[in-house]
Amino acid sequence: NAGVTQTPKFQVLKTGQSMTLQCAQDMNHEYMSWYRQDPGMGLRLIHYSVGAGITDQGEVPNGYNVSRSTTEDFPLRLLSAAPSQTSVYFCATRWGASFEQFFGPGTRLTVL
Amino acid sequence: AQSVTQPDIHITVSEGASLELRCNYSYGATPYLFWYVQSPGQGLQLLLKYFSGDTLVQGIKGFEAEFKRSQSSFNLRKPSVHWSDAAEYFCAVGALVQGAQKLVFGQGTRLTINP
Repeated sequence: NAGVTQTPKFQVLKTGQSMTLQCAQDMNHEYMSWYRQDPGMGLRLIHYSVGAGITDQGEVPNGYNVSRSTTEDFPLRLLSAAPSQTSVYFCATRWGASFEQFFGPGTRLTVL
Repeated sequence: AQSVTQPDIHITVSEGASLELRCNYSYGATPYLFWYVQSPGQGLQLLLKYFSGDTLVQGIKGFEAEFKRSQSSFNLRKPSVHWSDAAEYFCAVGALVQGAQKLVFGQGTRLTINP
């Protein structure tokens, strides 16, 4: 089992460009989420999904879109990248009512 | 509101020395508490968790943590650190936020090991 996978590992964008960060899991977990990690700020929740077709905003959703068409995939879209979105992005999953989350390896994004 | 504070941004210890990383939480109900470790360039790996029962929990890699309700703390300890323990450590509390289960993370503590 691959667990939680993220692509790409690294990405450099110019301001205003768009891109999609991919997240896939093979653990059949209903819950998936996206976090961003910035120095001194820990991990902050961007968006999450409790199942296919259901998404909701976290604490820092502005500038990001998500959709969940399948249980396995939860892509994160940046429609018009800004330097403030330079960060490391983590996808995470959990099963059922558990709080414990399983994290992907991360995507390091730089916006110039 | 729920929050997690890790008072130490950066700690340096010598290899073989003991380690304690501090974590304080704020949450009105019974907390679900976690410690995650992030090695350089890697994702987060669960070290240990506390849900209920024995307040001293054992984790992987020789780590343990003690839940103290009276102090709202969940400090992480290791009796003798190894160079491979150099990493960033995150404490987190599982909380119900507007009816949804979420993990709230502390700011992280970066651990450096001196040879």
